[in-house]
Amino acid sequence: DGGITQSPKYLFRKEGQNVTLSCEQNLNHDAMYWYRQDPGQGLRLIYYSQIVNDFQKGDIAEGYSVSREKKESFPLTVTSAQKNPTAFYLCASSIDPYLMGKFFGPGTRLTVL
Amino acid sequence: DQQVKQNSPSLSVQEGRISILNCDYTNSMFDYFLWYKKYPAEGPTFLISISSIKDKNEDGRFTVFLNKSAKHLSLHIVPSQPGDSAVYFCAASGRYNQGGKLIFGQGTELSVKP
Repeated sequence: DGGITQSPKYLFRKEGQNVTLSCEQNLNHDAMYWYRQDPGQGLRLIYYSQIVNDFQKGDIAEGYSVSREKKESFPLTVTSAQKNPTAFYLCASSIDPYLMGKFFGPGTRLTVL
Repeated sequence: DQQVKQNSPSLSVQEGRISILNCDYTNSMFDYFLWYKKYPAEGPTFLISISSIKDKNEDGRFTVFLNKSAKHLSLHIVPSQPGDSAVYFCAASGRYNQGGKLIFGQGTELSVKP
């Protein structure tokens, strides 16, 4: 069964700690994306990677970092520099190089205490 | 500036009737539009899309209409079912001229009452 998995579903961290969110896909998609959703708002693009070993900043990249060492994996690190890290984080992938994500993972709810 | 707007935060419809969700956009460079359905604490599920070269696309109970002159699109669900109750997001993209970035609206919460 092909799809996108994100783990964990819920994550709690103390303020000042870095935390890494996992995203794995077995759809053989080249491109992967990270979005953030806040209550009452649409999704906003954090980072994206069109190909292995390459990634670009999205609209709200400050306080986040990513890596893309493998085609299947695109982990997102939320650093202590991110001012409002509590949010719902969504990973997406796309086979279409001209569309920044079409299929989404189940999401990770990060709460910083 | 909000390039994609869903002006109705919520909509309530009786089971079996039509649900119409609306979305407006401002950027005339958008050429591809998508609708997603989202349950709480889950990722959005892709429903249906439409290219700017069309004005209608249909898939089962879901139909998307695009009015380019008005910069408006709508999602029709007929007949509505209680399982359709969720938040619906529209998204717009300029595939070949804006890097393909998806711009999302704020979402409309649909409630279908039995």
